[in-house]
Amino acid sequence: SQKIEQNSEALNIQEGKTATLTCNYTNYSPAYLQWYRQDPGRGPVFLLLIRENEKEKRKERLKVTFDTTLKQSLFHITASQPADSATYLCALDITGGGNKLTFGTGTQLKVEL
Amino acid sequence: EPEVTQTPSHQVTQMGQEVILRCVPISNHLYFYWYRQILGQKVEFLVSFYNNEISEKSEIFDDQFSVERPDGSNFTLKIRSTKLEDSAMYFCASSPLPTGSREKLFFGSGTQLSVL
Repeated sequence: SQKIEQNSEALNIQEGKTATLTCNYTNYSPAYLQWYRQDPGRGPVFLLLIRENEKEKRKERLKVTFDTTLKQSLFHITASQPADSATYLCALDITGGGNKLTFGTGTQLKVEL
Repeated sequence: EPEVTQTPSHQVTQMGQEVILRCVPISNHLYFYWYRQILGQKVEFLVSFYNNEISEKSEIFDDQFSVERPDGSNFTLKIRSTKLEDSAMYFCASSPLPTGSREKLFFGSGTQLSVL
């Protein structure tokens, strides 16, 4: 069956360090992968999209990599701040039909002073 | 910045009652979606909607669920006879193009539905 897996354990890091979150998927070859941020009681907010032919994408302090051989995406936040504390979700169109985004379980990040 | 708005923010209902959750997508968007998130679980796809038709739906979206775009601005999700397991946060989302076009989703803040 098709799966999108993210580390279910919360990630605690110190302010200023780089946070690295992982998204693994199985049994399909997505054309792209998206990352969202979700704060408690709020809807997901789009952060970055990376295409299958892109190895890396950056936006300010965020960096995403996409390894289609390993079927894995890594999401990095450099110089992390307490305001970065949230749950981060990866999402893929696993049906290829173009109208259904499937989300991973998310990884909760806590940045401590 | 334009945003997706959802009402009400909280809805409490008795089991077996009908509920309608309302959404106003971003005005120039053409694709509309409902997702739900049970407490502590992942965001799950329910249905996508384009050109007044359902494009895709999940196995969760059974005959008890329906969607409608009653006018040019609103998009609604109706649950005909609510069950305890329908308790969740329901998110509406919209996009200008389908997600298959590498398009991101814009989510509302959600409606927390509690079925007693």
